[in-house]
Amino acid sequence: EDQVTQSPEALRLQEGESSSLNCSYTVSGLRGLFWYRQDPGKGPEFLFTLYSAGEEKEKERLKATLTKKESFLHITAPKPEDSATYLCAVRGFGNTPLVFGKGTRLSVIA
Amino acid sequence: DAGITQSPRHKVTETGTPVTLRCHQTENHRYMYWYRQDPGHGLRLIHYSYGVKDTDKGEVSDGYSVSRSKTEDFLLTLESATSSQTSVYFCAISESATGGGSPLHFGNGTRLTVT
Repeated sequence: EDQVTQSPEALRLQEGESSSLNCSYTVSGLRGLFWYRQDPGKGPEFLFTLYSAGEEKEKERLKATLTKKESFLHITAPKPEDSATYLCAVRGFGNTPLVFGKGTRLSVIA
Repeated sequence: DAGITQSPRHKVTETGTPVTLRCHQTENHRYMYWYRQDPGHGLRLIHYSYGVKDTDKGEVSDGYSVSRSKTEDFLLTLESATSSQTSVYFCAISESATGGGSPLHFGNGTRLTVT
């Protein structure tokens, strides 16, 4: 059974204080790992797709990396507008649905 | 933003009543999905559709049915609502089956309260 565990559950940072969010996964062959951002009262917003170990994607202050067992979302010099819940999801081979983690709630304080 | 509209945005209903939630897309995507999101759980798939009149069950499909008579509309029906179905419901679309190069794009959700 495919599983996704995100840590920490919540993270509070000062503006400019860089950090990383973790997504550990078990899947029977990885077809894709997805990162989303979710703001309160909104639906998840797609950020990145990663396909294979060693791959990296960047967008503004965010960089996502992938190994065979986990993915990291690195946040460099965060700003208060980066405050949101970040979701990780994986899709394995076969007719399996996308499996989501419970998310990391990030708060960036000015 | 992907052209996905969910209606209603909020609904309060009583136990035992039928409820239908609507998802409308303007992207002409083949795949549509219904998820629920609850505290302490990740997003969980209820049902999905891979074409007009083609639907399949997700991991939490009991108590729910769906219909898709047009590419742009995907309806979720709770035949007899229960308190355990109080949740936030999200519709999502994708150009192809999840995985590969096609991510899901989500609507802004319907908050359903069953009293």
